[in-house]
Amino acid sequence: KNEVEQSPQNLTAQEGEFITINCSYSVGISALHWLQQHPGGGIVSLFMLSSGKKKHGRLIATINIQEKHSSLHITASHPRDSAVYICALSGGGADGLTFGKGTHLIIQP
Amino acid sequence: DAGVTQSPTHLIKTRGQHVTLRCSPISGHKSVSWYQQVLGQGPQFIFQYYEKEERGRGNFPDRFSARQFPNYSSELNVNALLLGDSALYLCASRFASVPYNEQFFGPGTRLTVL
Repeated sequence: KNEVEQSPQNLTAQEGEFITINCSYSVGISALHWLQQHPGGGIVSLFMLSSGKKKHGRLIATINIQEKHSSLHITASHPRDSAVYICALSGGGADGLTFGKGTHLIIQP
Repeated sequence: DAGVTQSPTHLIKTRGQHVTLRCSPISGHKSVSWYQQVLGQGPQFIFQYYEKEERGRGNFPDRFSARQFPNYSSELNVNALLLGDSALYLCASRFASVPYNEQFFGPGTRLTVL
């Protein structure tokens, strides 16, 4: 079973700060997903990575397959970025995603 | 195009009852997965269906069952409800049952068992 560790669990920062959230896993994967969940429950897919780096607006996601590690970066953070950010893994089978416990991010104005 | 839809949005049941949750995938998506998210935890995989067949099952008791219909919509059934079944139930759809397909999540059904 793949173990997913996210850090930090909670993060409070000031508006404008550069944010980094980390995800480490124990077993090889097919793809890694970064997801955003707002209060009320809805989950939005931010990125799906199998190698390298992806950028969308102020969000950047990187993955190092050899080190089994991924990071999600938020540049010029804004209060509307406040949410829970979840790392999830796709294995090779049909067993759905394996989720981390999430990082609760609060951006203060 | 509509996203993944789920119904109902909220539900309150008592112990021992059964419940049926519904999910309609994005048009053209043939795979539906169900997840349970207990408060404060990450979601846990329950089932995956593709082309009306069960393709994967998580570590949940037989009280949990699901099916997928010819139009690719899906139902999750839970029998003999326990207090511990109180959770947000999420449905996700994707085009095919392959790991590198992006999953799109519905808003969830919040089930409270009293």
